[in-house]
Amino acid sequence: GENVEQHPSTLSVQEGDSAVIKCTYSDSASNYFPWYKQELGKGPQLIIDIRSNVGEKKDQRIAVTLNKTAKHFSLHITETQPEDSAVYFCAAHDRNSGNTPLVFGKGTRLSVIA
Amino acid sequence: SQTIHQWPATLVQPVGSPLSLECTVEGTSNPNLYWYRQAAGRGLQLLFYSVGIGQISSEVPQNLSASRPQDRQFILSSKKLLLSDSGFYLCAWSKRGRGGVTGELFFGEGSRLTVL
Repeated sequence: GENVEQHPSTLSVQEGDSAVIKCTYSDSASNYFPWYKQELGKGPQLIIDIRSNVGEKKDQRIAVTLNKTAKHFSLHITETQPEDSAVYFCAAHDRNSGNTPLVFGKGTRLSVIA
Repeated sequence: SQTIHQWPATLVQPVGSPLSLECTVEGTSNPNLYWYRQAAGRGLQLLFYSVGIGQISSEVPQNLSASRPQDRQFILSSKKLLLSDSGFYLCAWSKRGRGGVTGELFFGEGSRLTVL
């Protein structure tokens, strides 16, 4: 089955700097890669996702890149702000695999220092 | 629009007591439903998922069980809680398409369980 590794587990950046979180996956059949943000005491929420027919996707200060050959994908946050502080989870899934759930990484705790 | 509710939000229970966490989804039909657990400072551990009424897949053997008595209701239960059952429990749903799981997972606000 799929295995998703996520690094780093914690990340501290100065406000205004960029943050990068990296994930690798094991199943070459995976074709959907979402990123979730979890604020303290709340459930995770989808912030951006990418499908395997695309190499990069941007949404304002957030971007995700995908390297299918190397089986890794990354989340990039530019011009970080204190409200970006949260736990971020990557996930991978084969959308053609029936009803099997997303496989999540273990999360990255991002702290943006003002 | 679709909404997901889970309750209670917080729960403090003694070891050996029973547990029932409930989750309901509104505004959609035939959702896939999930229970996750998050221990302090840890990742998301999938406990159960369901693709239909009475259909439950268990990911981790333990003293917890799940039931889906109605299309949009998912219940997490235990007959006797252990200290290790403490954590943040999250219910989630996703749309079901021809390929099964599709796209986004929508999470509830979570239920924090402390077992003393």
